[in-house]
Amino acid sequence: DIVMTQSPDSLAVSLGERATINCKSSQSVLSSSNNQNYLAWFQQKPGQPPKMLIYWASTRKSGVPDRFSGSGSGTDFTLTISSLQAEDVAVYYCQQYYGAPITFGQGTRLEIK
Amino acid sequence: EVQLVESGGGLVQPGGSLRLSCAASGMTFSDHWMSWVRQAPGKGLEWVANIKNDGSEKYYVDSVKGRFTISRDNAKNSVVLQMNSLRVDDTAVYYCARGFGLDDWGQGTLVTVSS
Repeated sequence: DIVMTQSPDSLAVSLGERATINCKSSQSVLSSSNNQNYLAWFQQKPGQPPKMLIYWASTRKSGVPDRFSGSGSGTDFTLTISSLQAEDVAVYYCQQYYGAPITFGQGTRLEIK
Repeated sequence: EVQLVESGGGLVQPGGSLRLSCAASGMTFSDHWMSWVRQAPGKGLEWVANIKNDGSEKYYVDSVKGRFTISRDNAKNSVVLQMNSLRVDDTAVYYCARGFGLDDWGQGTLVTVSS
């Protein structure tokens, strides 16, 4: 199974500042057949289901604000929120869908400083 | 707009069974893999099972193999998770999700396994 490890576990950032969350996979999730990274990022607010933000490691899902961006390849990935807004307080998860079992990182709790 | 609505959750004793259903709309159901993901109270996300668009492939997390069965009915736009031999550690909110990458999610249904 591919193990996903996020860092940090929690993060406090001031409004308007940049927030960065890292995700490392125990093996590469880059497919040689299509040169895509099978890596997604999700946001989960209290009492709500998770919401996909980013897929293919860096493609923003329709409707997601452009302050959210994803980067990385192979085994190391980053979710960046360029200018933190109050509504971004949530738990963020990375997820690999390279193969079954699909696995998630443990989550990163993002708060306002 | 894609809508996924789960049902069937509830309280069950250890060793019991439950059948979860997910009704899909706003999408061509037969084009998509479908998945179940769970979240224990206060914990992270755990993928449980998925099924290919035509039902020909099914995958499960090790902890539910032999106890849970995923199935789908493309004529009814629905996916089902049959859960047998339930254990206390199966207690969670169970979400239905579209796609192999889990593009869209339902609101979830709570399963509580307790005596």
